[in-house]
Amino acid sequence: KQEVTQIPAALSVPEGENLVLNCSFTDSAIYNLQWFRQDPGKGLTSLLLIQSSQREQTSGRLNASLDKSSGRSTLYIAASQPGDSATYLCAVRVRGLSFGAGTTVTVRA
Amino acid sequence: EPEVTQTPSHQVTQMGQEVILRCVPISNHLYFYWYRQILGQKVEFLVSFYNNEISEKSEIFDDQFSVERPDGSNFTLKIRSTKLEDSAMYFCASSEAISTEAFFGQGTRLTVV
Repeated sequence: KQEVTQIPAALSVPEGENLVLNCSFTDSAIYNLQWFRQDPGKGLTSLLLIQSSQREQTSGRLNASLDKSSGRSTLYIAASQPGDSATYLCAVRVRGLSFGAGTTVTVRA
Repeated sequence: EPEVTQTPSHQVTQMGQEVILRCVPISNHLYFYWYRQILGQKVEFLVSFYNNEISEKSEIFDDQFSVERPDGSNFTLKIRSTKLEDSAMYFCASSEAISTEAFFGQGTRLTVV
């Protein structure tokens, strides 16, 4: 059974600092990996999708890497802003999406 | 920008009652999904639907659950006889293909009393 783990569970940084969020998964036979943002009581906003054949994907201040063989992905958010405060979820697609528990980020102004 | 829409945003029902949660996926998407998130827990996969049939389902998706695409735009999740433990946020999602980006709706918060 696919297990997805996200470390750390929570992170608090001052505005302007770069964020590094980690995701690991136990079964490397995935179609893809997707990063989402979830605001309290809200839905999931897709941030980046990395196909299993890709190593990296970038969108604006966001960059995600994927090392399928070691079962790891990292989401980098450059120059964090208070508006980046949210829970970030990693999900891998095998049979449906398997989600991690998320990293809750607080960016202090 | 196209989005997945879900109705209602919040539904309260009595234990044992049937509920239907509704979703309108993005119009050119072919794959549809339901997920749930119990308060404080991970988002969990329930079922995926393609070409008018279930393509995958999880262990959670037992006989009390069913899905349907009753017309060209709606996608529904029915829970036949609700239990207290069905209280959760239910998310609908859609994607163009099996390995492309999944887009989620804002969710329906189901409260069973």
